[in-house]
Amino acid sequence: DVKVTQSSRYLVKRTGEKVFLECVQDMDHENMFWYRQDPGLGLRLIYFSYDVKMKEKGDIPEGYSVSREKKERFSLILESASTNQTSMYLCASNSREGKSSYNEQFFGPGTRLTVL
Amino acid sequence: AQKVTQAQTEISVVEKEDVTLDCVYETRDTTYYLFWYKQPPSGELVFLIRRNSFDEQNEISGRYSWNFQKSTSSFNFTITASQVVDSAVYFCALSDYSGGGADGLTFGKGTHLIIQP
Repeated sequence: DVKVTQSSRYLVKRTGEKVFLECVQDMDHENMFWYRQDPGLGLRLIYFSYDVKMKEKGDIPEGYSVSREKKERFSLILESASTNQTSMYLCASNSREGKSSYNEQFFGPGTRLTVL
Repeated sequence: AQKVTQAQTEISVVEKEDVTLDCVYETRDTTYYLFWYKQPPSGELVFLIRRNSFDEQNEISGRYSWNFQKSTSSFNFTITASQVVDSAVYFCALSDYSGGGADGLTFGKGTHLIIQP
């Protein structure tokens, strides 16, 4: 059974703290993604990675960074958390198998982050 | 730039009614992929269907069916004989072809479907 896991379901941090959100997938997927979900806005792409140590900015990368040191793990970092980063954060992965297609993404359960 | 519009923010129907969720997309690419995901109250997104831009055949899976029309840039989702368990937020999403699926998805804002018993 495919699995994407995220380190916390709920997290409360203070403004200015450095925050790490961890994501692990056990499907040997090459590609991994971080989205944030806000009411009325849907999901928006923050960063993605297509290989170890590789990263690409998504639509809303400001205030975030990422790290991918191992294939199975993709971390989202909030260098100095702010209240406008209070949100649901979703990690996803997909495989590069079949170069002529775009394979569906598998999502983790999400981390609801509150920044006070 | 890509865009996905789900004009229906919330739909409420009584159980056993049929319901259609609309999705309209914009893209300049000739090759692209469309998806539907379901997000139940538990929060985890569940993949429902993928369709590429060259395959306009409609698809049926049990009570679910999808109508893809390139001429109107629409990819609508119909649930027949709805059930309370269908209550969820449904997202339509789009991605262009990038040889390896390493681009993120562009999501619509979602439609909250409420099925009343």
